[in-house]
Amino acid sequence: QKEVEQNSGPLSVPEGAIASLNCTYSDRGSQSFFWYRQYSGKSPELIMFIYSNGDKEDGRFTAQLNKASQYVSLLIRDSQPSDSATYLCAVGGGSQGNLIFGKGTKLSVKP
Amino acid sequence: DTGVSQDPRHKITKRGQNVTFRCDPISEHNRLYWYRQTLGQGPEFLTYFQNEAQLEKSRLLSDRFSAERPKGSFSTLEIQRTEQGDSAMYLCASSRTEREQYFGPGTRLTVT
Repeated sequence: QKEVEQNSGPLSVPEGAIASLNCTYSDRGSQSFFWYRQYSGKSPELIMFIYSNGDKEDGRFTAQLNKASQYVSLLIRDSQPSDSATYLCAVGGGSQGNLIFGKGTKLSVKP
Repeated sequence: DTGVSQDPRHKITKRGQNVTFRCDPISEHNRLYWYRQTLGQGPEFLTYFQNEAQLEKSRLLSDRFSAERPKGSFSTLEIQRTEQGDSAMYLCASSRTEREQYFGPGTRLTVT
């Protein structure tokens, strides 16, 4: 059973701080990793994807991948109240590319 | 707007009724996925189409569920004899490759 684990939170950070979200996965053969943001009552929105070990930066977001440790993280710099949402980690683990999701980490950014 | 669209956005039905949802993927995306999400959980994979072929079905997809994608364009997901446990958000996603998937707004189903 392929699994993706996330701390459910809530993670509370002050406005302007760095939010750090973490995810571990069980399938060592996984090749693709995604972070989705989901506002309450809405559908997941793709914000970052990473396929190689190391860091990938996009604006205020940085995704970090460590395949040896089977660990993915998302850093949000200069956090804003509008970043308050649930962040879903997903791993491309299915035979046809279907995603395996964690339960999500709820982030709250306090003004 | 050329994103994934889903219809209806909300559906309330009585136990035992049949319901059908529609998904229109991003144009030129030949891969289409259906997921189901319940409160406090991440989306769970249901089924996958590449063009018009249904290539994979999850064990979550009981025989009350059926999905089609005629002509490789839009897709429908039908649930027969709905049960209260079917209440969830049904999400459709499309992609051009086996990597990035883009989700539609979802259909929220409530079975009373």
